[in-house]
Amino acid sequence: SYELTQPSSVSVSPGQTARITCSGDVLTKRYARWFQQRPGQAPVLVIYKDNVRPSGIPERFSGSSSGTTVTLTISGVQVEDEADYYCYSAADNYQVFGGGTTLTVL
Amino acid sequence: EVQLLESGGGLAQPGGSLRLSCAGSGFILSSHAMSWVRQAPGKGLKWVSSISAGGGSTYFADSVKGRFTISRDNSKNTLFLQLNSLRAEDTATYYCAKGIESSASPTWGQGTLVTVSS
Repeated sequence: SYELTQPSSVSVSPGQTARITCSGDVLTKRYARWFQQRPGQAPVLVIYKDNVRPSGIPERFSGSSSGTTVTLTISGVQVEDEADYYCYSAADNYQVFGGGTTLTVL
Repeated sequence: EVQLLESGGGLAQPGGSLRLSCAGSGFILSSHAMSWVRQAPGKGLKWVSSISAGGGSTYFADSVKGRFTISRDNSKNTLFLQLNSLRAEDTATYYCAKGIESSASPTWGQGTLVTVSS
């Protein structure tokens, strides 16, 4: 099975840039996705194929990839971005989520 | 509008069984790969199981292999997850989801809570 490792928490002030990393060997072979989950809600896709933003997701969300690490960047963080963020990847017979990162907007 | 509605959660005893259902609307469920994802209280998302678009292939996380089965009833546009030999660590909200591995617009249900306790 594969594993994806994320920091448990990231804190930024409104207007700053937040970066959340996700590391795992599977990321050298498969694309990553990022899901945002607000309390009591189902997850929402914010990035797929490492760096593609779905329709309706604000431009301040972006993704990048380098080797075994992918990064979700939120530029000009807003209060409503406070949420849990999960990286995700799918191999042939297996799917895996990272442990999740709580983004706190101070 | 594409929607998923889970049901079947509740309280089960250790060693017991439950059957979760996920009714799809607004799309043909059998034409899409479907997944179950769970989230223990206060914890992160964990992939549980998936079924291919044709239904010929099923996949399971190591933690549930041999205990859970995934299936669908195409006539009812419904996905199922049979949970057997339940353990306390299976306590979680179970979400069904469409296209989380490949779609640019995946769909999630609202979740159904399974509690395993004596």
